Amino acid sequence: DAGVTQSPTHLIKTRGQQVTLRCSPISGHKSVSWYQQVLGQGPQFIFQYYEKEERGRGNFPDRFSARQFPNYSSELNVNALLLGDSALYLCASSFSGRQETQYFGPGTRLLVL
Amino acid sequence: EDQVTQSPEALRLQEGESSSLNCSYTVSGLRGLFWYRQDPGKGPEFLFTLYSAGEEKEKERLKATLTKKESFLHITAPKPEDSATYLCAVSGGSNYKLTFGKGTLLTVNP
Repeated sequence: DAGVTQSPTHLIKTRGQQVTLRCSPISGHKSVSWYQQVLGQGPQFIFQYYEKEERGRGNFPDRFSARQFPNYSSELNVNALLLGDSALYLCASSFSGRQETQYFGPGTRLLVL
Repeated sequence: EDQVTQSPEALRLQEGESSSLNCSYTVSGLRGLFWYRQDPGKGPEFLFTLYSAGEEKEKERLKATLTKKESFLHITAPKPEDSATYLCAVSGGSNYKLTFGKGTLLTVNP
């Protein structure tokens, strides 16, 4: 069975640019969550979507936005990139996002120069 | 606000030397406590989910236990391939998010 997939695997951008990251959940999973992980830290929650509705948002600025599509895939957009946005961006899927386990993808490594 | 503290930050073991990793948590209404393994540059790999105090789960050389305040990940006779960062996370209250600790970097020397 295919796990969570993310694209691209790596990305280099310059300050002020915009980036879109993509995620496909495990087949049958309806919830997608996004996390940011900087080096040496645990993942930090950004968003959770369930059935195309935003169900939770972490302490991130409005430059971060996301959406979920009818096929349950998701996109994370970051505008006006800052150097501090350099991180591993992780997508996780679960059936409904409640107390079930969230399964993570391989991540997208974003470097902002 | 949910909080997770993991200790130690780093642990170096010899192959076969058993030990435990600690995860202390503060959460309003625990929904679940999760253990993940993460290799460098990769996404976290699911290991265990624990839902209530007293629960235990095992997988190969790993055993996870849960009390009302903390969880332990016991590693029995570790091998070099067990070297990784082990992350603990909680989900609680009306939140669906996972709150992670900083992780424990485990190195197992042959």
